[in-house]
Amino acid sequence: GAGVSQSPSNKVTEKGKDVELRCDPISGHTALYWYRQSLGQGLEFLIYFQGNSAPDKSGLPSDRFSAERTGGSVSTLTIQRTQQEDSAVYLCASRPGTSGYNEQFFGPGTRLTVL
Amino acid sequence: DQQVKQNSPSLSVQEGRISILNCDYTNSMFDYFLWYKKYPAEGPTFLISISSIKDKNEDGRFTVFLNKSAKHLSLHIVPSQPGDSAVYFCAFSGNTGKLIFGQGTTLQVKP
Repeated sequence: GAGVSQSPSNKVTEKGKDVELRCDPISGHTALYWYRQSLGQGLEFLIYFQGNSAPDKSGLPSDRFSAERTGGSVSTLTIQRTQQEDSAVYLCASRPGTSGYNEQFFGPGTRLTVL
Repeated sequence: DQQVKQNSPSLSVQEGRISILNCDYTNSMFDYFLWYKKYPAEGPTFLISISSIKDKNEDGRFTVFLNKSAKHLSLHIVPSQPGDSAVYFCAFSGNTGKLIFGQGTTLQVKP
């Protein structure tokens, strides 16, 4: 079956512009996560959606970052007024079930470059 | 405040020998421990995991060891193969499934 897909694969934008990154999780997966990996760094948790529960936004670095998950499936991560420090690979992952002990399946990521 | 540390940014091993990757953590609330492998331009892929009630889990060439008293996690790959060359991340989780990742170790297995 299809894995997690993300679009676009690469995005170059100018400082101050807004960007939207899309994630299509594996069908039936109830949990969806966004992470980012800055150059030379590990993966940093951003936000977590589980079913119809309120999302865990504790990892969002500023109020310029927001995310939605419509219909319990597709998710969009929006970054407003992008800054150069937002340049990173943004990774989406999904996980089946409600138990915390399932592995997460990652998409290929979106490489964001803010000029 | 780094809760997870992979102190070796890189490791080079000869094909056929053992690769040992290490990870230290500070948060004793973690109860599930994972290793992910990442190739360039791809997302991380799950490799192996262990729960806090165990100290060892083996899957083929891969074995994960957990030392809770030392708050230390390690991954052994034996025998190492050139296709194992990748970046390896340790990751830790509580019951939400939210993962806290280490900084990664780049493993190079030389033929």
